[in-house]
Amino acid sequence: RKEVEQDPGPFNVPEGATVAFNCTYSNSASQSFFWYRQDCRKEPKLLMSVYSSGNEDGRFTAQLNRASQYISLLIRDSKLSDSATYLCVVAPWASGGSYIPTFGRGTSLIVHP
Amino acid sequence: NAGVTQTPKFRVLKTGQSMTLLCAQDMNHEYMYWYRQDPGMGLRLIHYSVGEGTTAKGEVPDGYNVSRLKKQNFLLGLESAAPSQTSVYFCASSSWDRGTGEQYFGPGTRLTVT
Repeated sequence: RKEVEQDPGPFNVPEGATVAFNCTYSNSASQSFFWYRQDCRKEPKLLMSVYSSGNEDGRFTAQLNRASQYISLLIRDSKLSDSATYLCVVAPWASGGSYIPTFGRGTSLIVHP
Repeated sequence: NAGVTQTPKFRVLKTGQSMTLLCAQDMNHEYMYWYRQDPGMGLRLIHYSVGEGTTAKGEVPDGYNVSRLKKQNFLLGLESAAPSQTSVYFCASSSWDRGTGEQYFGPGTRLTVT
C-alpha cells in the first residue's frame, strides 16, 4: 500500500462549483501535511499547509482527520485558473530527525466554462 | 532572490553517457532534495541532504549519485545513463524548522535518454 494515496481523477467541474479532494496516509506518526498545486509541465508550488484545527485561505479549506488518517481540500466557487494537479504531501520524521516529505500521485482538476 | 534554480533545463543523452544536474538555492535552506517525476507515478525522492557535506538515499537512488559540497548547491549525477532514467527531475529545498517545511522547487530538468 502506497504511503500517501489520492484519487487521480480527473475531476471535471463547471465554473462556480464546489469540489473536494481527499488524501489518505498510512503512517500514523506523520507530523506535517500540505497541499501543493502543480500546473502542467511546471514545478509544484505550495498551496497551503494543513493544521490540526483546519484552516481556510480564501476559497480553499483544508482539514486533517488524524483518527481516520486523511486530509482534505475543498475548493469553493471554482475558477478556470484552478485547473491543475493537486498534490497531497505528508511528512513524518525519518530516523535521525530528517524531514522527509512523501508525495501523493496527485489529483487532476479540470474546471470548464 | 532567484529561489531554486536548475541547470540544464533540457538534455538528451545517449545510453551510457554521463551528466550532472546542478541545483542552486539562495534561501540558506538546510534541506535539499532531488525528485524524479514520471507520468502516473508522482514525485519520487532520489536522494536528499540535510546539510552541507551530508547526503542520504531516498526511494529510488539506484543509478544516481549526489554531492553537497556547498550549502547552496546540490548536484545529481548519472554515471551511465539508461532509457529508464528518462524523466523530469526536480530539485527542492526547505528550511530546518519542524512543522514548517515548505518546499521550494526548481523549474525542472527534462532529460531524455535514447
